Amino acid sequence: EDKVVQSPLSLVVHEGDTVTLNCSYEVTNFRSLLWYKQEKKAPTFLFMLTSSGIEKKSGRLSSILDKKELSSILNITATQTGDSAIYLCAVDMGNYGGSQGNLIFGKGTKLSVKP
Amino acid sequence: DGGITQSPKYLFRKEGQNVTLSCEQNLNHDAMYWYRQDPGQGLRLIYYSQIVNDFQKGDIAEGYSVSREKKESFPLTVTSAQKNPTAFYLCASRPNSGANVLTFGAGSRLTVL
Repeated sequence: EDKVVQSPLSLVVHEGDTVTLNCSYEVTNFRSLLWYKQEKKAPTFLFMLTSSGIEKKSGRLSSILDKKELSSILNITATQTGDSAIYLCAVDMGNYGGSQGNLIFGKGTKLSVKP
Repeated sequence: DGGITQSPKYLFRKEGQNVTLSCEQNLNHDAMYWYRQDPGQGLRLIYYSQIVNDFQKGDIAEGYSVSREKKESFPLTVTSAQKNPTAFYLCASRPNSGANVLTFGAGSRLTVL
């Protein structure tokens, strides 16, 4: 069964801390891995990763993919209260078998940043 | 501004009633999706449509129905056959070509009383 597993499921930190969120996957076919941030409503796109070892960076957020380990991490440095959200990881299996380009989502990591 | 509009944002329903959630997009995207989100469960796919007048069941389609009569619109009906309909429902879309990056609506929260 294709699956995406995120850890931890929840995390509480204080402003200024650095956090690392994990995403591992077991899928029949891999095309890309995506990270989304969800603050109470619409998930917003953060990164799409297709190649191992190439870091994607946006401000204090960065992410990297390890295809050998079938995993990805999302790092947030100098956290702020505005980083509080659910972070979703998803894998795109492409048009393989019955997936037809649908994404497989993990359960998400709920991050709470305390002032 | 281009985007996805879901309505209503909040909806209360009595047991045994059907309700329809609206999803409209002006992004000219071909594919549209409905997901259900429960606390601690991530997103689960209900139905999707890659082209007008065609749609497929996702992982949890039982008790739901959809239609895709126009490219811009993909309404979801939660029927009385859905045993546990209280949830947060997200609509999403993407173009059929290019990167598989979904754009999401702001969601509809359905509560069954």
